[in-house]
Amino acid sequence: EADIYQTPRYLVIGTGKKITLECSQTMGHDKMYWYQQDPGMELHLIHYSYGVNSTEKGDLSSESTVSRIRTEHFPLTLESARPSHTSQYLCASSEWSGGNTGELFFGEGSRLTVL
Amino acid sequence: LAKTTQPISMDSYEGQEVNITCSHNNIATNDYITWYQQFPSQGPRFIIQGYKTKVTNEVASLFIPADRKSSTLSLPRVSLSDTAVYYCLVGEGGYNKLIFGAGTRLAVHP
Repeated sequence: EADIYQTPRYLVIGTGKKITLECSQTMGHDKMYWYQQDPGMELHLIHYSYGVNSTEKGDLSSESTVSRIRTEHFPLTLESARPSHTSQYLCASSEWSGGNTGELFFGEGSRLTVL
Repeated sequence: LAKTTQPISMDSYEGQEVNITCSHNNIATNDYITWYQQFPSQGPRFIIQGYKTKVTNEVASLFIPADRKSSTLSLPRVSLSDTAVYYCLVGEGGYNKLIFGAGTRLAVHP
């Protein structure tokens, strides 16, 4: 059982509000990721981190920002939510490895709806 | 990062063996091949990973030819609960972004 948690699971919010999606893992993994996925569509990498104080943008441009102050915590923030941000956000983590990619462990996701 | 190509969808029936092939023509020497399974409203789940030849675990087999430009995930005797989207990823350890492709939507019928 993966020890990676996301909150909230569901969030409905009005346009212009600031939101933070929380992601925490207790496995001590160095690498963490945020993916965005619309229903029935593929996952898009929006942010990733190799460790504390390391954050990088993924392949899909996103107006969200992330921080990595602690190993176990990788929150995602939207300063001003818009309807176009409506989506499912999936957080994942993996061990650092110089060889194979390591198994990605995913949280259950945060489904965001912006009205 | 190597790009992958998979069939968009596949259909099968309970009890059959399903083979899903992924093309990764630009795979690099250090890249590994990993397959994930995703059910609706859940995050993907690791199935199997390999570098070359054949890898087998309790749920699947992974066949990788010598040139490593493709790989085939084999699911023996599928059941209705195997209906899901299957993703093939190619990448190496260390500094890698782990990009998911479009995946293959497998439908298993009674």
